[in-house]
Amino acid sequence: SQQGEEDPQALSIQEGENATMNCSYKTSINNLQWYRQNSGRGLVHLILIRSNEREKHSGRLRVTLDTSKKSSSLLITASRAADTASYFCATVLTTDSWGKLQFGAGTQVVVTP
Amino acid sequence: EPEVTQTPSHQVTQMGQEVILRCVPISNHLYFYWYRQILGQKVEFLVSFYNNEISEKSEIFDDQFSVERPDGSNFTLKIRSTKLEDSAMYFCASAELGRGGEQFFGPGTRLTVL
Repeated sequence: SQQGEEDPQALSIQEGENATMNCSYKTSINNLQWYRQNSGRGLVHLILIRSNEREKHSGRLRVTLDTSKKSSSLLITASRAADTASYFCATVLTTDSWGKLQFGAGTQVVVTP
Repeated sequence: EPEVTQTPSHQVTQMGQEVILRCVPISNHLYFYWYRQILGQKVEFLVSFYNNEISEKSEIFDDQFSVERPDGSNFTLKIRSTKLEDSAMYFCASAELGRGGEQFFGPGTRLTVL
């Protein structure tokens, strides 16, 4: 079964606008993490939110978690051209002992100046 | 700021050849991971490593794969006899905590099997 699924698959916005992407999962989690990947590059950790947390902020990023709906959202406020990247959610299951990340397929965000 | 490094950045090999991908995790981290990403697909977990042994592995991580931490700093992934379908980006990651902590990823090694 697919653990993390992002929505939408692609998002195109103008600089200054907000970008929101969602992640749904199926199985109970210990935590959920968001990563950014610029084209052909490595994964950069953005935020980790634990199952007992509902919201976290980091700079222009805001992440929410609704465990009753098994979903999370990532909001990028006042987007910049440099935010152009793919964004992935990744979950660590409650049953996992070693921190294995299960990634979604990602949302490709394009921010045009 | 400490970071995970990987070498080489790009490896081209012939089918059936052995390859070794190298990673230097962040020095005080205790948990180590390999993931791969086939072009256009999602990132997939391969293996986790803790206390000098494999703690968990996926179905992808068959007998052709092995990992080692030979000298307390390097962390390697070996593929004994590469197949065309092994072509992918391979990422190493390390973490201070296990399941509760964030993982720091290296820049990846792009493996191309011809």
